[in-house]
Formats: sequence, structure tokens, C-alpha cells
Amino acid sequence: DAGVIQSPRHEVTEMGQEVTLRCKPISGHNSLFWYRQTMMRGLELLIYFNNNVPIDDSGMPEDRFSAKMPNASFSTLKIQPSEPRDSAVYFCASSFILDTQYFGPGTRLTVL
Amino acid sequence: AQSVTQLGSHVSVSEGALVLLRCNYSSSVPPYLFWYVQYPNQGLQLLLKYTSAATLVKGINGFEAEFKKSETSFHLTKPSAHMSDAAEYFCAVSEEGAQKLVFGQGTRLTINP
Repeated sequence: DAGVIQSPRHEVTEMGQEVTLRCKPISGHNSLFWYRQTMMRGLELLIYFNNNVPIDDSGMPEDRFSAKMPNASFSTLKIQPSEPRDSAVYFCASSFILDTQYFGPGTRLTVL
Repeated sequence: AQSVTQLGSHVSVSEGALVLLRCNYSSSVPPYLFWYVQYPNQGLQLLLKYTSAATLVKGINGFEAEFKKSETSFHLTKPSAHMSDAAEYFCAVSEEGAQKLVFGQGTRLTINP
């Protein structure tokens, strides 16, 4: 059974460029979460969706960040324009609502 | 607001020794508590969770944790460390019935041969 799939696994880009991170949740799960992990701030919840609807985006750092979930099997996290301080590992997780969250392997983003 | 404090960013034990990773939480409502493990270059994997049932929770890989409301603690233990236990461990809290997880800063566990 496939787990949460994230792509790309590594992304190196230059400041000012647009970055799109992708996530495919576990089939049947109806909640999806985006997290960011940095040395300074640890693991932070950015946004989560229930049944493809954004429920809480209070963790999204600023307007440069946006997330979409057009259907139950796909979500994107976009940063435009990217900045060096956005460098981090971004995790996607999915679950049944109110159940255990299962994490993907993460996307390591480096913004030069 | 909920918060989690993990005491000790690095813990080092000998193979075969007791593992004790400390976690204290703050929550104004009954909490759900979790321990996750992260191996290098991987995502987080659930070790165990407390959801207001038994206070002693058994997880995978021989780990267990005890919920102590009076001490607001949820420490993780394993009687005998194995080299494969070397990883980073995260304690997390959520409100009962809620979905938002708040994570601690993590504890890196090193196992000495």
C-alpha cells in the first residue's frame, strides 16, 4: 500500500523563482496537512484541508505561500516568489478526519 | 494555547540501556498526545498515541509512554536500547477531537555500542 507521495524530493532554486511542491495523500484519506521543518522553528503546521476544503491556514507565513487541493488525490504548495528564508523541509501528511496523521518523506527546498 | 516541551535536545545511551525521553505538555483541555520518530531523510512515523483511554500506552518497536495528568507529562521509554533506535523523536499534542498537532522541538537519540 503506497504511503503519502511527495515530489520533488529535493528542489534547489534561486531567490525570486516560483516553487511548487506536490503531494498525493493515501487513498481514501480525507484530511491533508502541510508542515514545514526548520532547525530554528522545528515542525510547524502551515495549512490543512478536510474533504479538499481548507480548514485552517493560520500557519501560512505570508501571502507568498498558497496551497490548493483540487481533488482528493492531489495537493500543491506554492511559493511565489521564493526567498532564502523559505529553505526548509516541507512535509505533507494525510489521515482520516480526527485519526492518525501519516507523513510523506518530505521535500527539501533550498533557495539560493 | 497548547505547547510541548521536550527536555534535552540530545540524549545518548549505551546499547541495552534504558531509554527515557521526556515530554511535558500544556493544554487547557483534555489532550491527545503522540510520539513520532524520524529517521534521517525520512518523514515522521507514529510510535504511539494517547487518546484518553489507558494511561500506559504501548507502541511499536518496544516503546511505551505513560500519561501523567498531575505532572502534565508523557515520557517515552524503552527498557533496552538497540542501535536501530538512533533517530529523532518528537512529542506532539492536540486538543481532544481536534486535528492540529503542536510538536516539540525534538530529541535526537544516539545509541553507543
